[in-house]
Amino acid sequence: QVQLQESDPGLVKPSGTLSLNCAVSGYSISSTNWWSWVRQPPGKGLEWIGEIFHTERTNYNPSLKSRVTMSVDKSKNQFSLKLTSVTAADTAVYYCARVGKQYCSGDTCYSVWFDPWGQGTLVTVSS
Amino acid sequence: DIQMTQSPSSLSASVGDRVTITCRASQSISTYLNWYQQKPGKAPNLLIYNALNLVSGVPSRFTGSGSGTDFTLTINSLQPEDFATYHCQQSYSSPLTFGGGTKVEV
Repeated sequence: QVQLQESDPGLVKPSGTLSLNCAVSGYSISSTNWWSWVRQPPGKGLEWIGEIFHTERTNYNPSLKSRVTMSVDKSKNQFSLKLTSVTAADTAVYYCARVGKQYCSGDTCYSVWFDPWGQGTLVTVSS
Repeated sequence: DIQMTQSPSSLSASVGDRVTITCRASQSISTYLNWYQQKPGKAPNLLIYNALNLVSGVPSRFTGSGSGTDFTLTINSLQPEDFATYHCQQSYSSPLTFGGGTKVEV
């Protein structure tokens, strides 16, 4: 049974870098799936941050693209997120998730879902 | 970006009620619409994908419908464990976007 577990960075200072890992168990990160990060500010909706494939191919949300870097560590079966120049607006619960895709033509897939998700980790940006 | 609008943002219901949640896309997304259930302090859980396909293990009282811009999640005979927040998500185009959520309360 696949399980995902985010690391817990806790508090990050404004203008600093948020770093998160997602450890995957029960499933190889080198499978045919992509892996994604989604965040949820307190009391608000969900925002897709981006996704990564085990070959290090990435797709980022344009709203965050200039500040986001994702990577994969196949030896540890985990993937990571770095978000630079953080502000209070980046305070959120961050989730990692496995991505399912169907109806793909080239690099474009029309049916994309997240399942399962990690439990989430609250990252607070504050001095 | 495709904007996803859910209505209502919250609703009150009782056990046994039939509940309907609506999700509207700012442009046509065919049937590339997913629904998630989220309980307090927990991660979202996929319920329905491609507008009407129930995920294995999800009770049949959950049904999804719609295409184009208008979609509906219906819960028939609401159960105590169904009180939660429901989110829709489009995957027709990147960036993937979610609705604001609908909280189903007692």
